[in-house]
Amino acid sequence: DTGVSQDPRHKITKRGQNVTFRCDPISEHNRLYWYRQTLGQGPEFLTYFQNEAQLEKSRLLSDRFSAERPKGSFSTLEIQRTEQGDSAMYLCASSSGQLAYYGYTFGSGTRLTVV
Amino acid sequence: DAKTTQPNSMESNEEEPVHLPCNHSTISGTDYIHWYRQLPSQGPEYVIHGLTSNVNNRMASLAIAEDRKSSTLILHRATLRDAAVYYCIPIYNTDKLIFGTGTRLQVFP
Repeated sequence: DTGVSQDPRHKITKRGQNVTFRCDPISEHNRLYWYRQTLGQGPEFLTYFQNEAQLEKSRLLSDRFSAERPKGSFSTLEIQRTEQGDSAMYLCASSSGQLAYYGYTFGSGTRLTVV
Repeated sequence: DAKTTQPNSMESNEEEPVHLPCNHSTISGTDYIHWYRQLPSQGPEYVIHGLTSNVNNRMASLAIAEDRKSSTLILHRATLRDAAVYYCIPIYNTDKLIFGTGTRLQVFP
């Protein structure tokens, strides 16, 4: 197992276009998380899945954002009608159990640039 | 959520020990103290965590004050690869990491 994989690593898109990112967690991890990080800031929580169920969504996740985790394996994060303010690093993480005891493993992220 | 205070930046020379402090005076009795670090252009990486006792692993040591209001991450011999932003995060009964601004560690050859 090579850890958490994210694809693509970089994405440049024109304002108004839709983009989709993929995350493949560590295979035995049932918890999957999405975070967003802008320049100079720490990562901010977006949403969280346990298996295929989306258990929590941040207020940062506007109605233009949707995340799925069909079959409890990989996850996708889609942004519709992208805006320049969506430019950020999108990070995925996975965990095998409760955060306090197990911690997260993060992927390397997808850097989105909206022009 | 417990608030944390970390220095904005610290410097070290290669091969020297580094002590990264974190103040978490509002921590609750059941909060674990997690440390993550983020290398340039990478996602955050788990470093270590503990509850009350000092903890050691292959990456670092974590010294937790007896009153648990502060902790120190110890890198025993800094290398250039240790240059990163280090985040101290108290956690319990939540599935969200709340990142602050962390400490940017520079390591000089």
